[in-house]
Amino acid sequence: SQTIHQWPATLVQPVGSPLSLECTVEGTSNPNLYWYRQAAGRGLQLLFYSVGIGQISSEVPQNLSASRPQDRQFILSSKKLLLSDSGFYLCAWSGRGETQYFGPGTRLLVL
Amino acid sequence: GENVEQHPSTLSVQEGDSAVIKCTYSDSASNYFPWYKQELGKRPQLIIDIRSNVGEKKDQRIAVTLNKTAKHFSLHITETQPEDSAVYFCAANGSGGSNYKLTFGKGTLLTVNP
Repeated sequence: SQTIHQWPATLVQPVGSPLSLECTVEGTSNPNLYWYRQAAGRGLQLLFYSVGIGQISSEVPQNLSASRPQDRQFILSSKKLLLSDSGFYLCAWSGRGETQYFGPGTRLLVL
Repeated sequence: GENVEQHPSTLSVQEGDSAVIKCTYSDSASNYFPWYKQELGKRPQLIIDIRSNVGEKKDQRIAVTLNKTAKHFSLHITETQPEDSAVYFCAANGSGGSNYKLTFGKGTLLTVNP
């Protein structure tokens, strides 16, 4: 069966510091991968999605970036964090169908 | 692109009552409509979905109905229990050559009072 992992689970970072969040999927090949942000416990904002290695589409312009160095690995990065980057970051995957399955999430607090 | 509106934003019911959450979508090419449940501090989890070739789907106490003409779909929970308390999200897949993307509603906070 398929499993999706995210780490770290929680992160506290100072403003202006870099960020790297990682997501990996097991048990499937060539998944579609997604990064979402959820602020204040409500609303899922799609940040990036990827349909293959090196293929990244950005939904919202901001100081975040994403990369997919391997088929089942998706990384969310920032060079300098802002206070507004705080939130719950969720990675998701989908196969041939449209159903998306979410990872456990990373809770980020920028101070 | 696709736009999904969800109502109500909060819903409070007594245990045993029914709960209904409604969503409308804008893209007539949408053909896949999932519903997710998110408990506090946890990930959203798929609870039921429906495709545009059917009008209704049931799974025990939950059901989803779809009206393609009116472009709206609803989640029905019967005999609600306290463990049904959560935020529920609807979504639609839209088109534009990338129907693997989902557009989500803003969520409904359901509280079931014992």
